[in-house]
Amino acid sequence: GAVVSQHPSWVICKSGTSVKIECRSLDFQATTMFWYRQFPKQSLMLMATSNEGSKATYEQGVEKDKFLINHASLTLSTLTVTSAHPEDSSFYICSARRTSGTTYEQYFGPGTRLTVT
Amino acid sequence: GENVEQHPSTLSVQEGDSAVIKCTYSDSASNYFPWYKQELGKRPQLIIDIRSNVGEKKDQRIAVTLNKTAKHFSLHITETQPEDSAVYFCAATLGYDKIIFGKGTRLHILP
Repeated sequence: GAVVSQHPSWVICKSGTSVKIECRSLDFQATTMFWYRQFPKQSLMLMATSNEGSKATYEQGVEKDKFLINHASLTLSTLTVTSAHPEDSSFYICSARRTSGTTYEQYFGPGTRLTVT
Repeated sequence: GENVEQHPSTLSVQEGDSAVIKCTYSDSASNYFPWYKQELGKRPQLIIDIRSNVGEKKDQRIAVTLNKTAKHFSLHITETQPEDSAVYFCAATLGYDKIIFGKGTRLHILP
């Protein structure tokens, strides 16, 4: 159990367009999901915390109007990169935490590689 | 907010030897410390974790130690094997809060 999927696994888009990435918890409910960005040879940087039914909480320096997060159900959160630019090219990874239970563990999705040309 | 420092950034060890990666955290309220292994282009995989009410935890060749007073925690890998080569991240969090990652250690196992 505790499987998280992401779609798409990779995407290439032109500068100025928008891209939507989906994160799904397949076999459990997740009140909270997290979105990370990882540049080559760097660590995972938390972008925002996505809470089902409420507004996302963004980390300092992350533009909320550029990275739109929607957590409409207990199994789905989406990240939309609006007006993408080449510097947005990165590996985007989501994680999800179970709504119930006592574990603090977060389960990671396989990541989405975004390339903006 | 929480800050996690990780050392070294790169580590090379001979196959069969032990590897040790060290981390420090800033928030004394943190109570959960997971370690992740990430291979190139893949998701982080949880390899071991420890809660603040425990000083040491072991799982086969992998062990983690925690010193709450000093706010240090370490990953120990014994009898290293080629498949242990990867990037390892320590992390810290307060309960159900967000996880903060260290900068990572690139481990090379030399033949």
